[in-house]
Amino acid sequence: EAGVTQSPTHLIKTRGQQVTLRCSPISGHTSVYWYQQALGLGLQFLLWYDEGEERNRGNFPPRFSGRQFPNYSSELNVNALELEDSALYLCASSRDRPGTEAFFGQGTRLTVV
Amino acid sequence: AQRVTQPEKLLSVFKGAPVELKCNYSYSGSPELFWYVQYSRQRLQLLLRHISRESIKGFTADLNKGETSFHLKKPFAQEEDSAMYYCALINCLKRGSQGNLIFGKGTKLSVKP
Repeated sequence: EAGVTQSPTHLIKTRGQQVTLRCSPISGHTSVYWYQQALGLGLQFLLWYDEGEERNRGNFPPRFSGRQFPNYSSELNVNALELEDSALYLCASSRDRPGTEAFFGQGTRLTVV
Repeated sequence: AQRVTQPEKLLSVFKGAPVELKCNYSYSGSPELFWYVQYSRQRLQLLLRHISRESIKGFTADLNKGETSFHLKKPFAQEEDSAMYYCALINCLKRGSQGNLIFGKGTKLSVKP
């Protein structure tokens, strides 16, 4: 069974640009979560999608947004990139309700210069 | 606000020594807690959850509601236990529904030979 896949693996962008990160959950999983892992800050929750709907978002500005498609894959969009957006962005999926095991992808390393 | 605190950034022990990774949480209701682990160059993965009351790879964790703690313990550390360990709490949303995982900042465990 394929795990959670994220693309691209690495990305370098210039401040002010926009970026889209992609995530494919494990087959049969309907929930997708996005986390930002910046140096020294641990995993900070960004967004949670389930059945195509945004269920919750973390304490991030509106320039962080995303969506979930009918096949449950998801995109994370970040507009007007800032230097402090440089981080590892992790996607996770779970079968249905939170509390079931979350499976993580390898992440996308975003560097903003 | 719901929060998870891991007071130690780094814990270094010798092989065969007992290990305890500390985790404290703030949550007014009945928490649902997890330990996730990330071995070098691998994905973040579930180690154990408190509702299962199981021992995984010799690790156990007991929920202490009085002390609001969920410390991870192993009586005899092995070199292969060296990894980053994250304690996590299920976020309780409005109307009591469960949400995303809230993570601590992690503790890096180093087991020396």
